[in-house]
Amino acid sequence: GAVVSQHPSRVICKSGTSVKIECRSLDFQATTMFWYRQFPKQSLMLMATSNEGSKATYEQGVEKDKFLINHASLTLSTLTVTSAHPEDSSFYICSAGRQGRGYEQYFGPGTRLTVT
Amino acid sequence: AQSVSQHNHHVILSEAASLELGCNYSYGGTVNLFWYVQYPGQHLQLLLKYFSGDPLVKGIKGFEAEFIKSKFSFNLRKPSVQWSDTAEYFCAVTAEGYQKVTFGTGTKLQVIP
Repeated sequence: GAVVSQHPSRVICKSGTSVKIECRSLDFQATTMFWYRQFPKQSLMLMATSNEGSKATYEQGVEKDKFLINHASLTLSTLTVTSAHPEDSSFYICSAGRQGRGYEQYFGPGTRLTVT
Repeated sequence: AQSVSQHNHHVILSEAASLELGCNYSYGGTVNLFWYVQYPGQHLQLLLKYFSGDPLVKGIKGFEAEFIKSKFSFNLRKPSVQWSDTAEYFCAVTAEGYQKVTFGTGTKLQVIP
């Protein structure tokens, strides 16, 4: 159990276009999902916390107008990179949270975005 | 806010050698601790976790970690590594009652056959 999927796994887009990445919790409901960015040879940096039915909470330095997050249902959160630029090229990873014995996040496989 | 430090950035071992990766966190309250592994080209997978109870936690693939509260440490160990353990390892912490996870910078492990 606790499987999280992401789609697409890889995407190449032209500078100035927008790209949408989906994150789904396949076998559990997640009121909270998280979006991370991972640069080469670096750790995961939290971009924002996505809350079902309400606005996302962005980390300091993350442009909310550039990285639009929607969490319309308990199993789906989307990240839209608007007006993408080459510097947005990165590995984007989502996770879905679930409360068990402790609070745990389950990670998706990631999406490799390349902006040309 | 909590922080996590992993002192070893790149570790190279021969097969059958023992492994210990350091992880220290800074937070004054109760924490939940995790070790994740990311194999080349794959996504993050949970190796083991500590919420409460026995401070020696056993995970998958023969890994274990020990929570030493007095040292704010959660070091990862494996008595005998294999080539297939070549991967990047991330220590992570959440403050109890909070959802936000803070990751360490990661340790790249290279196991030489």
